[in-house]
Amino acid sequence: EVQLVQSGAEVKKPGESLKISCKVSGYTFTIYWIGWVRQMPGKGLEWMGIIYPGDSQIRYSPSFQGQVTISADRSITTAYLQWNSLKASDTAMYYCARQGVATAFDYWGQGTLVTVSS
Amino acid sequence: QTVVTQEPSFSVSPGGTVTLTCGLSSGSVSSSLYFSWYQQTPGQAPRTLIYSTNTRSSGVPDRFSGSIFGKKAALTITGAQTEDEADYYCVVYMGGGIWVFGGGTKLTVL
Repeated sequence: EVQLVQSGAEVKKPGESLKISCKVSGYTFTIYWIGWVRQMPGKGLEWMGIIYPGDSQIRYSPSFQGQVTISADRSITTAYLQWNSLKASDTAMYYCARQGVATAFDYWGQGTLVTVSS
Repeated sequence: QTVVTQEPSFSVSPGGTVTLTCGLSSGSVSSSLYFSWYQQTPGQAPRTLIYSTNTRSSGVPDRFSGSIFGKKAALTITGAQTEDEADYYCVVYMGGGIWVFGGGTKLTVL
């Protein structure tokens, strides 16, 4: 069974760093892209970027380039989304999703809620 | 950057038919683009409904269908159920490893 299990909710202060994770199982980690999607409170879904764990190719949405870092660790089949200096506007739910058939996202993590507040 | 446009909201009666659309700021949709549709209910992660414009994902009821409708991609729900009340998102793969999400349509079934 394909599963994407994300790390738990985080509460951080502005300026702090953070790395959230997406642990996958049930398929070969290295042959599917994994994407990250943001959902701000009460708002829609936004595509942030995507990584191919097989060779660590990464693509970022222009809106998020330079704001976050996407990475993956093949040894533990886990993808990551990282911030060096959080802002209050980073408060959101973040989802990881596998890019499967025909470029669609076919499996989703349960989401990680990140709250940034002083 | 291309903007993907969706109706902000729509309403349908139980048992009725509704078509939600997905357009591009660049003009008509192209058959070379890949459209997918996702359903999100409150507090839940998105669920994949349609990929490749018109292919239902595994386990999705056949009342959901995807198509090209005029100059836009479309998601049609035929015989809407109360459990179909949700937010629906269109996503376009633009090529070059870039995806764009539409703003979503809030569907009310009443």
